[in-house]
Amino acid sequence: GESVGLHLPTLSVQEGDNSIINCAYSNSASDYFIWYKQESGKGPQFIIDIRSNMDKRQGQRVTVLLNKTVKHLSLQIAATQPGDSAVYFCAETPLGGFKTIFGAGTRLFVKA
Amino acid sequence: KAGVTQTPRYLIKTRGQQVTLSCSPISGHRSVSWYQQTPGQGLQFLFEYFSETQRNKGNFPGRFSGRQFSNSRSEMNVSTLELGDSALYLCASSLDRGIRYEQYFGPGTRLTVT
Repeated sequence: GESVGLHLPTLSVQEGDNSIINCAYSNSASDYFIWYKQESGKGPQFIIDIRSNMDKRQGQRVTVLLNKTVKHLSLQIAATQPGDSAVYFCAETPLGGFKTIFGAGTRLFVKA
Repeated sequence: KAGVTQTPRYLIKTRGQQVTLSCSPISGHRSVSWYQQTPGQGLQFLFEYFSETQRNKGNFPGRFSGRQFSNSRSEMNVSTLELGDSALYLCASSLDRGIRYEQYFGPGTRLTVT
């Protein structure tokens, strides 16, 4: 499969445990934040998003937390499954902007 | 509904050549963005098109260019290829970048420059 990143931070979790992936964003003017999942050989896939006027948003098995004070974003995955193994990217977009800036990514390994 | 398609999936070119990559967005999507993905630099924004107009451009040299057709299909061109242009080139479409930011990515074109 494709090598997305050779030197990415790696998180290894046991199947069934909860995973927390962290991201520091750079632009305090960013208005919109997204988490993407990228599996080997595929393009990034949208997971969940959050606007800057919120601090928490929940989806199916995933929760995104936004701390604007310290410019920090996190993705929580509940009951992690082997199919969750992938590289996860956070991304930010400024208000009214058309340019999305991606973080470096974190590789998640789920041990069965 | 068909997803974003990119052609070709794999390409090998020689330094100095030029290359054209194609992207067909999801039906009804009018915004198309291009990204370059490398192990060292990660995902970097190249440019974004909406209604045949380039609305934003990343920090890439002028050798990288693109266009969008009236049916929203997009192409990107890289001239005078360099070894460092070897990368996965991703295309993403969305309804309208100003309203809905959710982007749908294609599988990418893997370009290798030798």
